[in-house]
Amino acid sequence: DGGITQSPKYLFRKEGQNVTLSCEQNLNHDAMYWYRQDPGQGLRLIYYSQIVNDFQKGDIAEGYSVSREKKESFPLTVTSAQKNPTAFYLCASSTLQGAVRNEQFFGPGTRLTVL
Amino acid sequence: AQKITQTQPGMFVQEKEAVTLDCTYDTSDPSYGLFWYKQPSSGEMIFLIYQGSYDQQNATEGRYSLNFQKARKSANLVISASQLGDSAMYFCAMREALAQKLVFGQGTRLTINP
Repeated sequence: DGGITQSPKYLFRKEGQNVTLSCEQNLNHDAMYWYRQDPGQGLRLIYYSQIVNDFQKGDIAEGYSVSREKKESFPLTVTSAQKNPTAFYLCASSTLQGAVRNEQFFGPGTRLTVL
Repeated sequence: AQKITQTQPGMFVQEKEAVTLDCTYDTSDPSYGLFWYKQPSSGEMIFLIYQGSYDQQNATEGRYSLNFQKARKSANLVISASQLGDSAMYFCAMREALAQKLVFGQGTRLTINP
């Protein structure tokens, strides 16, 4: 079955540590996205990528980094520079054809807690 | 700049009743798309329905329909014959033609009572 997988489902981090969240898709989508969701809030865009080896900052990129070495994979690193990283992180992907109409497909999410 | 507003933090509805979730938006781009997503307690975002700015008719998908009023810049989601499984967070989102990113509203928590 085609879809998006994220791992781990739950992640605990000590202050000062970097952690990497995994996102893999087998939908053959060109574009991939990372969102952050805080309790009771909507989704905010962290980074997105439309092609391998290229990515753009979203609205809240500070304290995060990404890479896109393969079309299927878009890992997100939460660095120690991110002041309040405890949140729910969602990865998504979409095609680029048809622009406006393209829905984004989401993974199951990773819940990150800083201890 | 794109902006989405959902003014109802929470809604409580009796099972089998219809429910309308409000969404207003702001954009200067004449070409845009509007999306509704459902987020159950598991956290995954589930796409429900799409409406394009140039679509002549309101979108429908099963029990979901979108009440699109372009002049008012509103795109309300209507769920007919609500079911207990409809209890979830619902998000309205918009993409402008030249932007790849979706902008999400704050969401509405819908609770269906038996």
